[in-house]
Amino acid sequence: DAGVIQSPRHEVTEMGQEVTLRCKPISGHDYLFWYRQTMMRGLELLIYFNNNVPIDDSGMPEDRFSAKMPNASFSTLKIQPSEPRDSAVYFCANTIGGEQFFGPGTRLTVL
Amino acid sequence: GEDVEQSLFLSVREGDSSVINCTYTDSSSTYLYWYKQEPGAGLQLLTYIFSNMDMKQDQRLTVLLNKKDKHLSLRIADTQTGDSAIYFCAEVTDSWGKFQFGAGTQVVVTP
Repeated sequence: DAGVIQSPRHEVTEMGQEVTLRCKPISGHDYLFWYRQTMMRGLELLIYFNNNVPIDDSGMPEDRFSAKMPNASFSTLKIQPSEPRDSAVYFCANTIGGEQFFGPGTRLTVL
Repeated sequence: GEDVEQSLFLSVREGDSSVINCTYTDSSSTYLYWYKQEPGAGLQLLTYIFSNMDMKQDQRLTVLLNKKDKHLSLRIADTQTGDSAIYFCAEVTDSWGKFQFGAGTQVVVTP
């Protein structure tokens, strides 16, 4: 397995634009998590899924953020409209058998 | 609520041992983890310990768990410059597999 795959690795966009981050999880995972990491706030859990169903989205900062998991092989995190304060590294992570594996992250810069 | 705390910074000389400490509050934790994050990369699972264990050793890494004091530590023997990174402590807090991360400890290894 190639591990957790995220795309794009880097995204630069202008304020107000829609941004879609993608994650291909490890085959056979139990849970899928979306995290955001910034210098100021550290690592924040945004939302997580089990069997493609969102379990807890209390970490999603506001209605501009939405996440979907249409099937076990794919998840998206969308920001619409994006704002400069959304600039961060966004990680997708999966758990298998009690271990959590992180993707390489998407570095988002909103100008 | 659940909280995981770590010291923010540790400086250590090459060849010395490093000890990174972590405290947590949820006594129902089942697993506790140590992750390493190098610059520009995702979090990499280093090791983990089940809550009914006191110690786990894995090559240069030794994890100690004091359940009574809710204290977890990671000892790195013979610290190398490649060990310079941010180290995150994490616990699984509930049956849904939600991970609670600390803020991370920046370890700097000096020659």
